[in-house]
Amino acid sequence: SAVISQKPSRDICQRGTSLTIQCQVDSQVTMMFWYRQQPGQSLTLIATANQGSEATYESGFVIDKFPISRPNLTFSTLTVSNMSPEDSSIYLCSVGPGMGTQYFGPGTRLLVL
Amino acid sequence: AQSVSQHNHHVILSEAASLELGCNYSYGGTVNLFWYVQYPGQHLQLLLKYFSGDPLVKGIKGFEAEFIKSKFSFNLRKPSVQWSDTAEYFCAVNSFNSGGSNYKLTFGKGTLLTVNP
Repeated sequence: SAVISQKPSRDICQRGTSLTIQCQVDSQVTMMFWYRQQPGQSLTLIATANQGSEATYESGFVIDKFPISRPNLTFSTLTVSNMSPEDSSIYLCSVGPGMGTQYFGPGTRLLVL
Repeated sequence: AQSVSQHNHHVILSEAASLELGCNYSYGGTVNLFWYVQYPGQHLQLLLKYFSGDPLVKGIKGFEAEFIKSKFSFNLRKPSVQWSDTAEYFCAVNSFNSGGSNYKLTFGKGTLLTVNP
């Protein structure tokens, strides 16, 4: 399995600002994903980070709000833009060897005031 | 769209009790099924998975799950729980579509298991 790290591990941000979350993997992977886990809710897929092309967003998530970069096969960033308190959540990066199996990072706990 | 239901939000057991956590999914096609676990302060990690073959699959730490296709269920079981099994458990489904995009995981809301010593 891959070892995944995320930065920052947690942050408290002001409304209207943006936060960029980094995800680093210890090996090259094809599939990288970003999830959100809101309090008391399940994990929801935000987008698939594609290396060398634009991310593929799930219904309800847009690039202007959650821009994603994937410059290489071991790294990705997710930006939460123009934040509001509703964006308070845990953001998780995961990688997949395929067939649905995924390995998850430790998550970034975000609180927006 | 596919969905996953976990019937129990919070389960409290004593050590040595038997465990069964329910999971039902809604999707008519081919699926892969997973249970993930998140121990306190740790990453979400894979507990077990079902792709095909024997519908009774065994995972780490003595856990097993049974896929019953007719009931769209994939319940997690353990005959005797330990205090260290205290964690949150998530059921997830990965479905295949005609476009071949088989990577997407749909998660249930999770079940918090508390095992009292």
